[in-house]
Amino acid sequence: QKEVEQDPGPLSVPEGAIVSLNCTYSNSAFQYFMWYRQYSRKGPELLMYTYSSGNKEDGRFTAQVDKSSKYISLFIRDSQPSDSATYLCAMSEYFGGSNYKLTFGKGTLLTVNP
Amino acid sequence: KAGVTQTPRYLIKTRGQQVTLSCSPISGHRSVSWYQQTPGQGLQFLFEYFSETQRNKGNFPGRFSGRQFSNSRSEMNVSTLELGDSALYLCASSLAGQSYNEQFFGPGTRLTVL
Repeated sequence: QKEVEQDPGPLSVPEGAIVSLNCTYSNSAFQYFMWYRQYSRKGPELLMYTYSSGNKEDGRFTAQVDKSSKYISLFIRDSQPSDSATYLCAMSEYFGGSNYKLTFGKGTLLTVNP
Repeated sequence: KAGVTQTPRYLIKTRGQQVTLSCSPISGHRSVSWYQQTPGQGLQFLFEYFSETQRNKGNFPGRFSGRQFSNSRSEMNVSTLELGDSALYLCASSLAGQSYNEQFFGPGTRLTVL
């Protein structure tokens, strides 16, 4: 079983739709949970990060973590064509000091149609 | 502040050759991590360098190696190239390491092995 599983999609939605992106994980040592957005021909950029179970909101984006179920989600409200990108979940394991290691999901390709 | 730069952006090599990729981190960042991104495997961690020392290493064969210079610039080398090494190679820099909110990715080097 892979440490991080993410539905690869692709996902195609109309403009204004609510989008739900999800990842599951198996490693209980993961402490930080992140979502990255990657536009075509670009490197990933950090969208949001969370530490504890619960919800974190930033504008149209909400990150949700359920540590008991080992499940994280990213919700996008009022989706826009500019949200079209690949979304990657990532999880961080801490090894002491400033030593972390990131593990990524494979990414979900999202297309928002005008 | 300039972002992470990677050179070259595109590279075509043949099997058996070797290749060196370069990454210049954001000024002041001491940690550089390298990742391989493919459609099948997603984003996979290669290694991380911090203050010229390899601090973390992923599960890649010894053909993949790297180094970091005193100015924090990093190079990654792949020897005896195989067709399966065709991928987008990304580097990410951070102040201290692979923590949750500090990594900034470059645009990547697209390597094609023929």
